[in-house]
Amino acid sequence: QSALTQPASVSGSPGQSITISCTGTSSDVGAYNYVSWYQQHPGKAPKLMIYDVSDRPSGVSNRFSGSKSGNTASLTISGLQAEDEADYYCTSYTSSSTLVFGTGTKVTVL
Amino acid sequence: QEQLVESGGGVVQPGRSLRLSCAASGFIFRNFAMHWVRQAPGEGLEWAAVISYDGSNTYYADSVKGRFTISRDNSQNTLYLQMHSLRVEDTAVYYCARARGYCINNRCYESYMDVWGKGTTVTVSS
Repeated sequence: QSALTQPASVSGSPGQSITISCTGTSSDVGAYNYVSWYQQHPGKAPKLMIYDVSDRPSGVSNRFSGSKSGNTASLTISGLQAEDEADYYCTSYTSSSTLVFGTGTKVTVL
Repeated sequence: QEQLVESGGGVVQPGRSLRLSCAASGFIFRNFAMHWVRQAPGEGLEWAAVISYDGSNTYYADSVKGRFTISRDNSQNTLYLQMHSLRVEDTAVYYCARARGYCINNRCYESYMDVWGKGTTVTVSS
């Protein structure tokens, strides 16, 4: 159950687009279309942003989108805004019927 | 309003036990699987355990398997995490979260979490 690999940090200017990668294995990300993404502001509980690779819960901005290719999933934030500055985590279902989180990415809005 | 409220955290010595609770309200608790997720100070999120809607199936992360037990009381709308043989590295904020996913051919994929509590802090220290 090794953590999925994410870049430690990603930054962008307001209005720009950024992409966060999430790399796993053929036993998790590559095996199922069950990747989700969470946003966490300091001192707060995580918030679901994307589920099932690319679906958005009601109330989440359409500036957030997800995709997957092979063992790597991605979260794209378009039209970056100051409020998007937070930590982001991916999660995948695994062949052991467990979940595994990514290492987390700190997004900075310049 | 769907809500989860964790309780039971505190300071405990290594090797001791602690039980966390998570009270659910605003939704039909018995219809949903539930997760526990933890976050050590300054670290990332770590999935810990999941329990099916009726308590018949449980799964654990390797880091807690054999020491932690997830359970639920659907009559009380409450989720539990019994923690034994606590270690310093178990120090974390513990979140409970509602599971969502799909059941296909008698297998359920509780693959994401859509409602989270605010967490309860567990500190393991001598």
